[in-house]
Amino acid sequence: DVKVTQSSRYLVKRTGEKVFLECVQDMDHENMFWYRQDPGLGLRLIYFSYDVKMKEKGDIPEGYSVSREKKERFSLILESASTNQTSMYLCASSSPSLGNQPQHFGDGTRLSIL
Amino acid sequence: ILNVEQSPQSLHVQEGDSTNFTCSFPSSNFYALHWYRWETAKSPEALFVMTLNGDEKKKGRISATLNTKEGYSYLYIKGSQPEDSATYLCAHSNDYKLSFGAGTTVTVRA
Repeated sequence: DVKVTQSSRYLVKRTGEKVFLECVQDMDHENMFWYRQDPGLGLRLIYFSYDVKMKEKGDIPEGYSVSREKKERFSLILESASTNQTSMYLCASSSPSLGNQPQHFGDGTRLSIL
Repeated sequence: ILNVEQSPQSLHVQEGDSTNFTCSFPSSNFYALHWYRWETAKSPEALFVMTLNGDEKKKGRISATLNTKEGYSYLYIKGSQPEDSATYLCAHSNDYKLSFGAGTTVTVRA
């Protein structure tokens, strides 16, 4: 079974801090994704990566950056955390596809910015 | 504004009853329609990926249909059980990204 592991289930940080969310997958997937989920909204794509060192902006990239130095690891970085970035963050991976392969998700990180 | 809409937002169903709910999506530039089940404190789990108009897929008591011409998909749960309680997400793809709906939260009452 595919395993997508996110480094923390819960995280509390302060405004202005630099925050790192880590995600590791063990199925050699090329594609990796970061989403955030807020009440009443669908999962919204922040960034995705289709290969090592490759990244593309999703629908809401402002205030975030990403790093993919190794195939199995995709990191989301909040450069200077703000309260409006309090949310549930989900990482996912998939094999290469034109959207016709399922995505495999981690358990999520519930991030609170105080 | 979501271009993938799910209705209803939530529903309650008695154990043993069947239910269904809808996902609407843009019918242009269609590649695939995904359904995921997201149980509390767990990760979203893929149920179905459908690509062809008229597709019907089944997994145990859960099934889904797809109409790409009019841009909708139905998810059916037959004989609901408490373990079916979850949020069901649909997602539309027109390239390698997915656009998700806000989900339908199903609560099965014993």
